[in-house]
Amino acid sequence: DAGITQSPRHKVTETGTPVTLRCHQTENHRYMYWYRQDPGHGLRLIHYSYGVKDTDKGEVSDGYSVSRSKTEDFLLTLESATSSQTSVYFCAISEMNSPLQETQYFGPGTRLLVL
Amino acid sequence: AQTVTQSQPEMSVQEAETVTLSCTYDTSESNYYLFWYKQPPSRQMILVIRQEAYKQQNATENRFSVNFQKAAKSFSLKISDSQLGDTAMYFCAFMKPNPTSGTYKYIFGTGTRLKVLA
Repeated sequence: DAGITQSPRHKVTETGTPVTLRCHQTENHRYMYWYRQDPGHGLRLIHYSYGVKDTDKGEVSDGYSVSRSKTEDFLLTLESATSSQTSVYFCAISEMNSPLQETQYFGPGTRLLVL
Repeated sequence: AQTVTQSQPEMSVQEAETVTLSCTYDTSESNYYLFWYKQPPSRQMILVIRQEAYKQQNATENRFSVNFQKAAKSFSLKISDSQLGDTAMYFCAFMKPNPTSGTYKYIFGTGTRLKVLA
């Protein structure tokens, strides 16, 4: 199994509070992703990173920011949490040596409830 | 824009039987890759199988195989000899390389929940 951990695994917070989710990898993979999973929507990409300090937006990036100061850590921040951000958040990593070898490996997920 | 459709929200199959999960996609690209991921109750996403669009031969991984119909833009997953451990949510995913940025864009379907019955 790829070495990917997410913390916290569960969090309950109130509307308007800031929340930071952490993804940590031990694989030294260059690419890291944040997805959210909601019923009826599957997985949707929030942000991704293609290197230290290099990030870009996904399809549902509004209300989220990310940072990557080290290869192994990718942080997702909800500056002011809203109830619509209640979801399960997955981190994924990949090496992207070539399309033939490209595979995303997923973390265990973080369940976030915004009251 | 690419889309991925899984039209079967839920399915069930008897243990040891065969089941097919459907997936269709829409793209104008010629170079792309398709994946099936499994998400068991533990929520950990696991790669099941992948298919390169330029390959006509269908991918196979043990009990899992795909029926890739490029012209019809169909990518179904067949699970043979179903086992209780196959109970999971299955996601179909489309991936397109971006040669300009060197990145890969994934689009996931909404998933099919499969239950294997004893």
